[in-house]
Amino acid sequence: QSVLTQPPSASGTPGQRVAISCSGSSSNIGSNTVNWYQQLPGTAPKLLIHSNNQRPSGVPDRFSGSKSGTSASLAISGLQSEDEADYYCAAWDDSLNGWVFGGGTKLTVL
Amino acid sequence: QVQLVESGGGVVQPGRSLRLSCAASGFTFSDYGMHWVRQAPGKGLEWVAVIWWDGSKEYYTDSVKGRFAISRDNSKHTLYLQMNSLRAEDTALYYCVRDTFGMDVWGQGTTVTVSS
Repeated sequence: QSVLTQPPSASGTPGQRVAISCSGSSSNIGSNTVNWYQQLPGTAPKLLIHSNNQRPSGVPDRFSGSKSGTSASLAISGLQSEDEADYYCAAWDDSLNGWVFGGGTKLTVL
Repeated sequence: QVQLVESGGGVVQPGRSLRLSCAASGFTFSDYGMHWVRQAPGKGLEWVAVIWWDGSKEYYTDSVKGRFAISRDNSKHTLYLQMNSLRAEDTALYYCVRDTFGMDVWGQGTTVTVSS
């Protein structure tokens, strides 16, 4: 059971907008920033969003992040087939003194 | 280019030890904190340990505390993970990861299989 809770799956059709949620608590998301990672099949994860809503260089602006209270969300607009991947949220946890990941959300582009 | 290359994985019996290494290149290794993150077959990501840029602090996930030790040699641009008393549940692909505002650079991983 992961400390951060994500839906196991999400789906959308090309061009649609999808959102993936990440729920935590006051000791992690509630007091620290959230990062999002994309893992394409058979590859290492890639940093997609850091500090709740900041995109590293090279990440398309179709990807956006937000945080409110103890929850965070990753939104993908203009969905493309190459977005089919696993997505993970992560945050530092002050109680555990460590990083925690969500269980991951498998995004399917129909 | 910025690169992290892990090595040292393999098949090991339960209770034995293994040391992973991660060679960094293309950036000033001593400026960055570093993590180990693992992924069991077919499962999600699990953070294992982090070490500060200067080695002054280390943190571990509960399941490896007292068994694993993260360390670094900044003169050799290398990160290590000493894994003792290995268990079947430690079987995973182990990634070496650079830390900035997030875990921004990942290696390709080295596979550890704990089996009798």
